[in-house]
Amino acid sequence: SQQGEEDPQALSIQEGENATMNCSYKTSINNLQWYRQNSGRGLVHLILIRSNEREKHSGRLRVTLDTSKKSSSLLITASRAADTASYFCATATNSGNTPLVFGKGTRLSVIA
Amino acid sequence: KAGVTQTPRYLIKTRGQQVTLSCSPISGHRSVSWYQQTPGQGLQFLFEYFSETQRNKGNFPGRFSGRQFSNSRSEMNVSTLELGDSALYLCASSYGRGPLITGELFFGEGSRLTVL
Repeated sequence: SQQGEEDPQALSIQEGENATMNCSYKTSINNLQWYRQNSGRGLVHLILIRSNEREKHSGRLRVTLDTSKKSSSLLITASRAADTASYFCATATNSGNTPLVFGKGTRLSVIA
Repeated sequence: KAGVTQTPRYLIKTRGQQVTLSCSPISGHRSVSWYQQTPGQGLQFLFEYFSETQRNKGNFPGRFSGRQFSNSRSEMNVSTLELGDSALYLCASSYGRGPLITGELFFGEGSRLTVL
């Protein structure tokens, strides 16, 4: 079952605009990760934020985590056509050997 | 460093047949996880292997099985294929014991299975 739920399901923006995707989850987590998937390809890890962190940056990516609301957001600044992809959040819980659980993703289209 | 390699990339089978998919993890990675991705269900966890031992299994029927070899390469098998098994099967590797310890997973490009 999905732990994370991304919102919106699909997002279409113009090149140069910022894109914001949200993720909500249900149980306590150890860390939350964001991945990108180009159509029909494998997933690529973008960024990991631990439960004791509130914000993290990597290049044009900014991730925030609010454990009190059980939510995270991914901001991509100055979007490019090459950012067109599906973005997934994934959560790792503190319970033993539980696997990384993925949401259903946000499909981002950046129009040149 | 070579990435995660999955073979075959594409395959077509008919109902009732069986299929074996292969995954070679990044050199030095000892954990291999398998996921099934479909448009309706998204990414569903199948199983995880570490040092040849299955450490975790998702909620899939017994027709889905896997194994890991001493060189960390992994195979998964689906027997008595059903139409609903059509999916992209993704393999991911990590150095340690799962996302709790080491964080990120490194994914292969997937094996796209079509069942007719």
